[in-house]
Amino acid sequence: NAGVTQTPKFRVLKTGQSMTLLCAQDMNHEYMYWYRQDPGMGLRLIHYSVGEGTTAKGEVPDGYNVSRLKKQNFLLGLESAAPSQTSVYFCAVDRKNTEAFFGQGTRLTVV
Amino acid sequence: TQLLEQSPQFLSIQEGENLTVYCNSSSVFSSLQWYRQEPGEGPVLLVTVVTGGEVKKLKRLTFQFGDARKDSSLHITAAQPGDTGLYLCAGLNDMRFGAGTRLTVKP
Repeated sequence: NAGVTQTPKFRVLKTGQSMTLLCAQDMNHEYMYWYRQDPGMGLRLIHYSVGEGTTAKGEVPDGYNVSRLKKQNFLLGLESAAPSQTSVYFCAVDRKNTEAFFGQGTRLTVV
Repeated sequence: TQLLEQSPQFLSIQEGENLTVYCNSSSVFSSLQWYRQEPGEGPVLLVTVVTGGEVKKLKRLTFQFGDARKDSSLHITAAQPGDTGLYLCAGLNDMRFGAGTRLTVKP
């Protein structure tokens, strides 16, 4: 029982490159979230999904896109990476606003 | 958007001391959660407070939800090095987090 798994764990991108971060859950929870965490700024919500096929913008959505084609997967895409997107990205799942379970994080560096 | 402000931002204390950290907002929350995050890990839920004035205890940790449901506090008694971490509060309605209090407990 892995819970919430993020892939990859580390990545270095050049400015302008694209990539997709994968969040996979085996908890069968409806809600999924993508956060970024920067020093001194806590967790900021990028996008979230309340169910398969639905997505919504969070606090800092610019420069990111998401998709939730299957209930168990939530993908975060960066179409053209910028140094400002250097951060640690966390995925979380939640059964309708009860308790968020987090993945281990993806450390992304954009050079 | 319901903003959460946490204070202090950093706290460094000696083992055995007591401490209190705060989570404040100008908005009313239906409920608040406290999480702890250790280096290299995702946050883990400590407690959910729902009722105004509610007090919950988790071993040496005491959580209080303000009467007006706009603020919450976390008090740790006799802190230990294992309490070191980032303490985050979150509004349950929208799963948005405060910036956190980074606690270091020195042996």
